[in-house]
Amino acid sequence: AQSVTQLGSHVSVSEGALVLLRCNYSSSVPPYLFWYVQYPNQGLQLLLKYTSAATLVKGINGFEAEFKKSETSFHLTKPSAHMSDAAEYFCAVSNYNQGGKLIFGQGTELSVKP
Amino acid sequence: KAGVTQTPRYLIKTRGQQVTLSCSPISGHRSVSWYQQTPGQGLQFLFEYFSETQRNKGNFPGRFSGRQFSNSRSEMNVSTLELGDSALYLCASAHDRGSYEQYFGPGTRLTVT
Repeated sequence: AQSVTQLGSHVSVSEGALVLLRCNYSSSVPPYLFWYVQYPNQGLQLLLKYTSAATLVKGINGFEAEFKKSETSFHLTKPSAHMSDAAEYFCAVSNYNQGGKLIFGQGTELSVKP
Repeated sequence: KAGVTQTPRYLIKTRGQQVTLSCSPISGHRSVSWYQQTPGQGLQFLFEYFSETQRNKGNFPGRFSGRQFSNSRSEMNVSTLELGDSALYLCASAHDRGSYEQYFGPGTRLTVT
């Protein structure tokens, strides 16, 4: 079975500050890991994915995440927050055998203060 | 290339009724997955279709069903609606089952009264 835990349902940062959104996963097989972003009244947009290649993954909009097997983590970071980053962020897990099935975390709402 | 489209965007139904939601994947994509999003349960996988066949199913009652057509368009149906079915229903498409990049549509907001 697979599961995802996102630590912190709400995170608030100042504009220009580091963004760190935490994600821990559980998987009995090698995982595929994803971060999605959702803006109000919109669907989900893929930020980045890890599918067993490089452990440091760079995504869109300056975001990146590092897969750490020993810590079962896949935290999302961005060096400098922008007002437009305010949204809800979801971490998700899948594996080679699951096709289109994603298991999502509960989400983290990011607020950016001016 | 046009993105994933879902129709209708908003829907209000009464308990006991049934509803059909439609999803058109990105051109060339053959895999379609459906998710339910609620404030309490978050994002939950409903089912996945590929080549007109259901390939994977989440833990939902039989009132939730779906199908996929030869042009990869998909529909999901919910019968005997309950208040708890009020949710945002999201459709995602991928090029094929081995593609791990899923592209989501804007969703259909279903309200059951």
